[in-house]
Amino acid sequence: QVQLVESGGGVVKPGGSLRLSCAASGFTFSDYYMTWIRQAPGGELEWVSYISGSGDTVYYADSVKGRFTISRDNAKNSLFLQMNSLRADDTAVYYCLRPYYFDFWGQGTLVTVSS
Amino acid sequence: EIVMTQSPATLSVSPGERATLSCRASQSVRRSLAWYQQKPGQAPRLLIYGAFTRATGIPARFSGSGSGTEFTLTISNLQSEDFAVYYCQQYENWPPVTFGQGTRLEIK
Repeated sequence: QVQLVESGGGVVKPGGSLRLSCAASGFTFSDYYMTWIRQAPGGELEWVSYISGSGDTVYYADSVKGRFTISRDNAKNSLFLQMNSLRADDTAVYYCLRPYYFDFWGQGTLVTVSS
Repeated sequence: EIVMTQSPATLSVSPGERATLSCRASQSVRRSLAWYQQKPGQAPRLLIYGAFTRATGIPARFSGSGSGTEFTLTISNLQSEDFAVYYCQQYENWPPVTFGQGTRLEIK
């Protein structure tokens, strides 16, 4: 059974940093693109970033480009999101997911950016 | 970027009745369209992918239709557990995948 378990969220001040992690199991992790999606408090769902199975191709939403870095460790079946220069509008629940429609969801990890 | 627009924002329907939710894409997404249900405090749950294919374990009262730019999610014989927020999502042109703003289905 596919499982995705996000962690690393918390409360951070504007301008701060956080590193999110996602532990994947139940499928051959390295075979899949992976993605981060976030959901703001009002409910809006927004794609954040993609990474290819090998990790050599990445994409970012314009809203996070230059501030967030996606990476993966296929040996550990793990996905990461390094978030720097955080802003209030980055406040959201962050989900790691297996594209392109999303059949397996974890519980997400809440990131709150507030002074 | 493909913009997804859902209507109505809120839909009030009585239990046992039928609900019809709409989703429009700003350009064709062929049949690369998914629907999700989200209840308070939970992650979204996949209902439909490929515009009309039900995901594993989804009851037959949920049905999807449409292609191109116009899509519909129909929920027949509404049950109490069906009252939730519903999102559509296109995955034809990525990045980015994009979501609609959601339709809240409430009890009339």
